[in-house]
This record gives sequence, structure tokens and C-alpha cells, in this order.
Amino acid sequence: SQQGEEDPQALSIQEGENATMNCSYKTSINNLQWYRQNSGRGLVHLILIRSNEREKHSGRLRVTLDTSKKSSSLLITASRAADTASYFCATDRDDYKLSFGAGTTVTVRA
Amino acid sequence: KAGVTQTPRYLIKTRGQQVTLSCSPISGHRSVSWYQQTPGQGLQFLFEYFSETQRNKGNFPGRFSGRQFSNSRSEMNVSTLELGDSALYLCASSLPGTGWYGYTFGSGTRLTVV
Repeated sequence: SQQGEEDPQALSIQEGENATMNCSYKTSINNLQWYRQNSGRGLVHLILIRSNEREKHSGRLRVTLDTSKKSSSLLITASRAADTASYFCATDRDDYKLSFGAGTTVTVRA
Repeated sequence: KAGVTQTPRYLIKTRGQQVTLSCSPISGHRSVSWYQQTPGQGLQFLFEYFSETQRNKGNFPGRFSGRQFSNSRSEMNVSTLELGDSALYLCASSLPGTGWYGYTFGSGTRLTVV
């Protein structure tokens, strides 16, 4: 079973616009991670935010975490065609495994 | 440095056969995890190994098994293949410890059962 749910399922934006996707989860966590997957290939780690952090930045990525609401958001600013991919949130409860959400498919139009 | 290497990339097997998939982690990484990805169930955790010991196992039937060798390379085996085992199988490695940032995934093995 999946721990997280992502919203929206799909997102289509114009190049240069920002993309925001949300992730909700059910149980307490040690950290939450975001991954990108291009066309059914392997997952690429984007960013990790620990349970005692509220916001984190990495390049054009901004992640927030609200443990009281059990939710996280990923913002991609100034999107590019290369950002077209599926994005997954994954929760880590310090039990040697990740529980993934269903993913958000992002399409960036030129 | 080299990433996580999974072999083979593609595999076609017949129902009832068995299959072995291989994963070589990043040099120095001692934790190896396996995940199954299907359109219907998404990404599901199979098992995790650290220093040849399985530390966690997902909710899969006993037909799915794995092991880790002393050089941290890992294999997973699926016996008596079913059509529903068709999936992308992903391996991930990590180096737990202070400053741990997450997992590095391989490109996956796409298994098709016919």
C-alpha cells in the first residue's frame, strides 16, 4: 500500500511558469524525499527534507513540510522543457524503506 | 563515480519460469533496496539488505526473494512467474550515516512475462 497521495495527478504548464505539486501522507515520518522519473526510467533524487525542517531550497526547487498536516509541497520555478517528468514524494520512517506516492506527471510546453 | 548498475535492462520470460535480476550499488554503499513499479500499484517496496542481512521486507509473496553478497552486490529472484509480475524493477543503494541525503536508483530492469 502507498503511504502518500499526490495532487494533482497531472499538470501541464508553459515553459517559464512555476509548477507546484502536493503530497499528503498518513503516519509520522523521519524525512520526506522527492524524486523525478523520466519516461519509465530510474528515479533521480531531488531533495530530502527532515521532519524537523519546514522549508528547503535546491536550485529551482523549493520544498515545504508541514508535519502537523502531514503534507509537503514541491515548487519548481521557471520551468523548462527538461522538467517534463513524473515526480514522486516518498516518506521514510527510518525503517529502511521508502513509501511512495502515486506521482504527479508534469508536462512543460514550449 | 559509477552509478547503480542493473542488469539486464530488458527481459522477456514465459509464465512459470524464474528470473534473476542483478544490482551493483555505488562503490562504498552497503545498503541495497529493491522496488517494483507497475501502472496499477505504483512503486512498491520489495526488500532491503545491509551487509548481507535483510532488514526489511515488503508485502510480496514468497516467490520473490533476494540476497546480498559480501561485495554489496545484490540479486533478486522471482520464481514461478505470473503475468502480474510484469513490471519495472528498480534497485537503489545508499550510504546511511550523518548527512545522508537519500537513495541513488539504477535505471531498472523491465520484465515482461508472456
